[in-house]
Amino acid sequence: GAVVSQHPSWVICKSGTSVKIECRSLDFQATTMFWYRQFPKQSLMLMATSNEGSKATYEQGVEKDKFLINHASLTLSTLTVTSAHPEDSSFYICSAETGTSGRGRGDEQFFGPGTRLTVL
Amino acid sequence: GQQLNQSPQSMFIQEGEDVSMNCTSSSIFNTWLWYKQDPGEGPVLLIALYKAGELTSNGRLTAQFGITRKDSFLNISASIPSDVGIYFCAGLVLSGGSNYKLTFGKGTLLTV
Repeated sequence: GAVVSQHPSWVICKSGTSVKIECRSLDFQATTMFWYRQFPKQSLMLMATSNEGSKATYEQGVEKDKFLINHASLTLSTLTVTSAHPEDSSFYICSAETGTSGRGRGDEQFFGPGTRLTVL
Repeated sequence: GQQLNQSPQSMFIQEGEDVSMNCTSSSIFNTWLWYKQDPGEGPVLLIALYKAGELTSNGRLTAQFGITRKDSFLNISASIPSDVGIYFCAGLVLSGGSNYKLTFGKGTLLTV
């Protein structure tokens, strides 16, 4: 099956530093990747949609200068949290779409295991 | 924006019991999906529903897509301890251009 990995699985950083999270599709090429944020005991909230070779599309209320997304290849997307602060502490989850049907279908989107970010 | 109302928020049941949870929305979705998330993990797809009125099973799981495309339920029969986790419904819509995006419900915490 389609496997998506994230690295690191958890990270602790000091306030003001930047943190990069990688999302990789291991056995398929993903033209589209998605980044979600999940607070404890809450739902997943879509942050941005990342298409390979183009700028990411951010959801309303998500600061594009704070959450930098790069999708440089068909198997890798990165999310960089710049100048992190304690309120950025959260569980960040990516997903990758196989796109085999030529259009988005829910069953073609596979989720990574998530990255726990704690900002001190 | 589109919101999914999922209920119940949590359930405590005995092993062997059947479980039912549902989602409603004021908006129409093209596709409804049900996911399970274990602690510290990403969600895993359980069932995807594409047609209004569609009833689909996956082992002990059964889900139906409402005829109005605004609601769905998930049933788990004969629950076992490994069913513990958070179950999310999600709706898939066209988000602009050729992109689709998922909107998630708030989840149902199941404890067996």
